[in-house]
Amino acid sequence: NAGVTQTPKFQVLKTGQSMTLQCAQDMNHEYMSWYRQDPGMGLRLIHYSVGAGITDQGEVPNGYNVSRSTTEDFPLRLLSAAPSQTSVYFCASSFSGGTGDEQFFGPGTRLTVL
Amino acid sequence: GQSLEQPSEVTAVEGAIVQINCTYQTSGFYGLSWYQQHDGGAPTFLSYNALDGLEETGRFSSFLSRSDSYGYLLLQELQMKDSASYFCAVSRNQAGTALIFGKGTTLSVSS
Repeated sequence: NAGVTQTPKFQVLKTGQSMTLQCAQDMNHEYMSWYRQDPGMGLRLIHYSVGAGITDQGEVPNGYNVSRSTTEDFPLRLLSAAPSQTSVYFCASSFSGGTGDEQFFGPGTRLTVL
Repeated sequence: GQSLEQPSEVTAVEGAIVQINCTYQTSGFYGLSWYQQHDGGAPTFLSYNALDGLEETGRFSSFLSRSDSYGYLLLQELQMKDSASYFCAVSRNQAGTALIFGKGTTLSVSS
């Protein structure tokens, strides 16, 4: 079991560029989510999905898109990168997303936008 | 608005006991979770409380008082490897799809 995997580990973008952060899990989890973590801040929820074909917005969704075509994959797209999106991005999954479910986090993608 | 308050830093020595508090003010509350994050690493789940009282898992315990909107994480027999950031997180709905995290407490354990 690889758990939750994220690619790339590091990325540098120029303002205005677009890119996709990849996230995959092999635990057959229904619930997947994306967080961003900035220095001195907790994790803030960007988007989440409760199953294939179903996504919803979290606290800070602006500037990001997601889709969930399979149970395993949950990519995060930055439409037009801005310096304010410089952050560490974590993908997480849990069995059902039910309250109290343990969330398993990926290793993170460290993104810098110049 | 939604807010979770934790101390930003705590220091302790090996073998000691430390308590990290978390007070919350959120629209909707279904439970309080705790996560540990080592520098540069991914957060890992430690514990969860839905009901008032103490949950014990080895050296770590977590407590919740829903009437006081308050919880804490208790770490006993501290070890150097416990140096990390600790986050409390509130589940705001039954499905657990609206998780709000505190800003984290950095614990430094010295010998």
